[in-house]
Amino acid sequence: DAGVIQSPRHEVTEMGQEVTLRCKPISGHNSLFWYRQTMMRGLELLIYFNNNVPIDDSGMPEDRFSAKMPNASFSTLKIQPSEPRDSAVYFCASRGTGGHEQYFGPGTRLTVT
Amino acid sequence: GENVEQHPSTLSVQEGDSAVIKCTYSDSASNYFPWYKQELGKRPQLIIDIRSNVGEKKDQRIAVTLNKTAKHFSLHITETQPEDSAVYFCAASPPPSNTGKLIFGQGTTLQVKP
Repeated sequence: DAGVIQSPRHEVTEMGQEVTLRCKPISGHNSLFWYRQTMMRGLELLIYFNNNVPIDDSGMPEDRFSAKMPNASFSTLKIQPSEPRDSAVYFCASRGTGGHEQYFGPGTRLTVT
Repeated sequence: GENVEQHPSTLSVQEGDSAVIKCTYSDSASNYFPWYKQELGKRPQLIIDIRSNVGEKKDQRIAVTLNKTAKHFSLHITETQPEDSAVYFCAASPPPSNTGKLIFGQGTTLQVKP
């Protein structure tokens, strides 16, 4: 298996632009998690899905952030409009049924200027 | 909600020495405690975990201990090597347990000097 796939790996955009981050979980995994990592705040859970259904989005910082999981093999995290303080590494992770380990993707490094 | 505190934030040891990282959690119902290692520029990867019905678990040079009464758990690395240098994160999984939700500590940067 290729593991969790994220795209793009790097994104540089200007303030006010829309940003869409993409994630393909490991095949067969039924839980998907979006995290944001910064030096100041560490690794924060933004939202997670079980069986494509959003379970807890309490970590989403504000209405500018939204996430979808239209099917078991694809999820997006969208920021609209983006702001410089959104600059961070965004990780997607997936977990299999009955397992505990979360497998992280390589991350997307977002820079908003 | 669950809150995880991790100490120290940085740790420097000589090669061959032991390293200990400690975490405390707030939700007594949390029942799963993994440790992840993140090398510079890489993704976090699970290195060891422990469930609430176990007090200690060991895997070669690394071990984790859990004190449910005190709500704290620790990572122990013995005979440290330069390749152990990384950021280590502890985490706790609050209920409901079937969701897999993890709350991470702030991380500890471990430097092993050769």
